Amino acid sequence: EAGVAQSPRYKIIEKRQSVAFWCNPISGHATLYWYQQILGQGPKLLIQFQNNGVVDDSQLPKDRFSAERLKGVDSTLKIQPAKLEDSAVYLCASSLDVGTKGEQYFGPGTRLTVT
Amino acid sequence: GQNIDQPTEMTATEGAIVQINCTYQTSGFNGLFWYQQHAGEAPTFLSYNVLDGLEEKGRFSSFLSRSKGYSYLLLKELQMKDSASYLCAVGAGTALIFGKGTTLSVSS
Repeated sequence: EAGVAQSPRYKIIEKRQSVAFWCNPISGHATLYWYQQILGQGPKLLIQFQNNGVVDDSQLPKDRFSAERLKGVDSTLKIQPAKLEDSAVYLCASSLDVGTKGEQYFGPGTRLTVT
Repeated sequence: GQNIDQPTEMTATEGAIVQINCTYQTSGFNGLFWYQQHAGEAPTFLSYNVLDGLEEKGRFSSFLSRSKGYSYLLLKELQMKDSASYLCAVGAGTALIFGKGTTLSVSS
């Protein structure tokens, strides 16, 4: 079974530029999550989708971050414009179950460096 | 508020036993998860506790006391490949709240 796929793996941009990340979850997983992991810290949830609807986006900085999950499968996360403090690894995860009773499977992440 | 505490770093030697503690205060509780994360890689699931007590899975065991807001991950017969960050996460509502992780270094 294929795991969670993410691209690109690495991205370097200058502040105020835009960037987009892509995620393809495990087939059949209805729930998709985007996390931000700053060096030395645990992952922080940015947004959670159930199929193509948003379940929780309370920690998403909506003035600069946006995410969508069209057709309830792939998802994209966009940052526009980027700030230095956005440098982090962006992890996508998926799970079968709604809520937190189901194990989450993480992708390899996209390491973003903002200069 | 939400707060999850675990030690920042721990060291141990091959073959030894190590216990990584986690204390939490969260609004809502759906279970306690442990994930392993090797440097530069994605977190991988280790264990899930929703009831008090000990869950054993091979060399790894996890314990939960809901009344004390406390969990630990026990690693036995340590191997070099166990060097990694161990993340404690609490299920609250529909989200997982992660601690900062404990970096475990295993030496020979």
